[in-house]
Amino acid sequence: EVQLVESGGGLVKPGGSLRLSCAASGFTFSSYSMNWVRQAPGKGLEWVSSISSSRSDTYYADSVKGRFTISRDNAKKSLYLQMNSLRAEDTAVYYCARGRSGDSFDPWGQGTLVTVSS
Amino acid sequence: QSALTQPPSASGSPGQSVTISCTGTSSDVGGYNYVSWYQQHPGKAPKLMIFEVSKRPSGVPDRFSGSKSGSTASLTVSGLQAEDEANYYCSSYAGSNNFYVIFGGGTKLTVL
Repeated sequence: EVQLVESGGGLVKPGGSLRLSCAASGFTFSSYSMNWVRQAPGKGLEWVSSISSSRSDTYYADSVKGRFTISRDNAKKSLYLQMNSLRAEDTAVYYCARGRSGDSFDPWGQGTLVTVSS
Repeated sequence: QSALTQPPSASGSPGQSVTISCTGTSSDVGGYNYVSWYQQHPGKAPKLMIFEVSKRPSGVPDRFSGSKSGSTASLTVSGLQAEDEANYYCSSYAGSNNFYVIFGGGTKLTVL
């Protein structure tokens, strides 16, 4: 069974940093692009970042470019999101999702909540 | 890149069909056949229902179908069932020079 499990969320002060992790199992992790998508409380979905299967290509939404860094460790079957200079508007549930053809995301993890507040 | 436009709500009675629209521009929905639809029940993770405009992942009932005309994509749910009540989000590839994905604001589907 394909499974994605996020961790690392929590409460952080504005300007602070946090590192999210996503542990993958049930598929050949190194063969797939991986993604982070977030959802602010009561709001819609927002694509955050993507990384190619080989780690050579990374992409970011304009709202996080320069502050967030996506990375992966294929040996550990893990995806990461380093978040720096966090702002209140970064408060959201962060989902890890496997890339699928047509630039779709399938499946998704259960999400981890990041709260940025003083 | 601006978010895709979806109606905030849609509804239908059990057994009926309902269609949810997703309007973008020639830079996203209209420019690529890379539109996806996701179903999200309250407190749950999103689930892929349609990819590449009209393809269904295995396990998704054929009551769900997708289409596109110009810069507007549509999700049709036929034979509505109580469990179809959820939020639905469309997304589209929007990167002309690099990878970029945008989502719609979501549509709350109510089964009356």
